[in-house]
Amino acid sequence: AQTVTQSQPEMSVQEAETVTLSCTYDTSENNYYLFWYKQPPSRQMILVIRQEAYKQQNATENRFSVNFQKAAKSFSLKISDSQLGDTAMYFCAFTNYNQGGKLIFGQGTELSVKP
Amino acid sequence: DVKVTQSSRYLVKRTGEKVFLECVQDMDHENMFWYRQDPGLGLRLIYFSYDVKMKEKGDIPEGYSVSREKKERFSLILESASTNQTSMYLCASSGRAGGGYNEQFFGPGTRLTVL
Repeated sequence: AQTVTQSQPEMSVQEAETVTLSCTYDTSENNYYLFWYKQPPSRQMILVIRQEAYKQQNATENRFSVNFQKAAKSFSLKISDSQLGDTAMYFCAFTNYNQGGKLIFGQGTELSVKP
Repeated sequence: DVKVTQSSRYLVKRTGEKVFLECVQDMDHENMFWYRQDPGLGLRLIYFSYDVKMKEKGDIPEGYSVSREKKERFSLILESASTNQTSMYLCASSGRAGGGYNEQFFGPGTRLTVL
């Protein structure tokens, strides 16, 4: 069975600094997708970034980038120039090509950006 | 803008009551999902549906049922609510994956308290 683990329940960072959120996963599949979702306080969950496993290049979206280490089954999220609006719960998630879009989520990391 | 709406943001029910949680999406998505979110456990899939009148069990279906009579609407039913079903419930929808992956769009969530 596939699993996703986020070992940092809470993190904090000063505004304008960089923070990295960790995620590891376990699967025997070779073709899959990995995601980071953001859930701001009292607001809807939105997709931040995604990575296809067959792509060696790490995905980036503006201030958000990932470090995808397929052999180590590691998928960390780096947030550069942190902003107060980045304060949220962040979830790492996984799906493989055969799961019809079903997601498996990690436990979440609550990130606080401090002024 | 993709919109996924849920019938209530907050709901308080008594043990043994039958509870209906409604979800509506306006993007003609084939796939719809119900998750529950609990601190330290992340999101766990309760049920999902790939088409009208079709349903599949997720990882934690016990105590729940679902109904999908129309493409845009997916209902979660708690036949006899219990205190251990106190949680945040999230609905999501996505287009048909077709061998790849389509982003899941989430509703705002319903925080259910069972007394």
